[in-house]
Amino acid sequence: GENVEQHPSTLSVQEGDSAVIKCTYSDSASNYFPWYKQELGKRPQLIIDIRSNVGEKKDQRIAVTLNKTAKHFSLHITETQPEDSAVYFCAASFPSGNTPLVFGKGTRLSVIA
Amino acid sequence: DAGVIQSPRHEVTEMGQEVTLRCKPISGHDYLFWYRQTMMRGLELLIYFNNNVPIDDSGMPEDRFSAKMPNASFSTLKIQPSEPRDSAVYFCASRQSNNRNTIYFGEGSWLTVV
Repeated sequence: GENVEQHPSTLSVQEGDSAVIKCTYSDSASNYFPWYKQELGKRPQLIIDIRSNVGEKKDQRIAVTLNKTAKHFSLHITETQPEDSAVYFCAASFPSGNTPLVFGKGTRLSVIA
Repeated sequence: DAGVIQSPRHEVTEMGQEVTLRCKPISGHDYLFWYRQTMMRGLELLIYFNNNVPIDDSGMPEDRFSAKMPNASFSTLKIQPSEPRDSAVYFCASRQSNNRNTIYFGEGSWLTVV
């Protein structure tokens, strides 16, 4: 089955700097890659997703890039703010059918004011 | 829509007791997932249902864990007997069959077994 590795497990950045979180996946058939943000004590919530027919997607200060050949994808957060502090999870799956999302172990991002 | 609703939000129980966690998925969603979150293992998929039928329960850790979905709007996850290592946050999530795989999480049930 699919296996998703996520790095780093913790990340500290100064406010205003950029943050990058990287994930690799094992199943080359996977073609849907969402990112979830989980604030302390809250539920994970979808912040951005990308499908394999697209190499990059951007939404304001966040962007996701996908390299299908290398089987890795990354989350980029620019101009970080204290409210970006949270745990971020990447995931992979097929876009339809019976396969559920497989999550990485998460990255705890701390933005230092 | 109120989103995925879980209860209880917090539970503290003694080892050996039965624990029942409840979930109401988003109306119209035909997939329901139970995840367990711990610091060590992250988000683990325990079991998921499609149209109330269990599809894959290979993530259920032991026979002490069981899950049911008697109808489209209700599911339970039961632990009997509970052990301290079951302490975790249990998330229920749901999604609708379409061309996306986005799942929506409930607020979670924070379980502490002492």
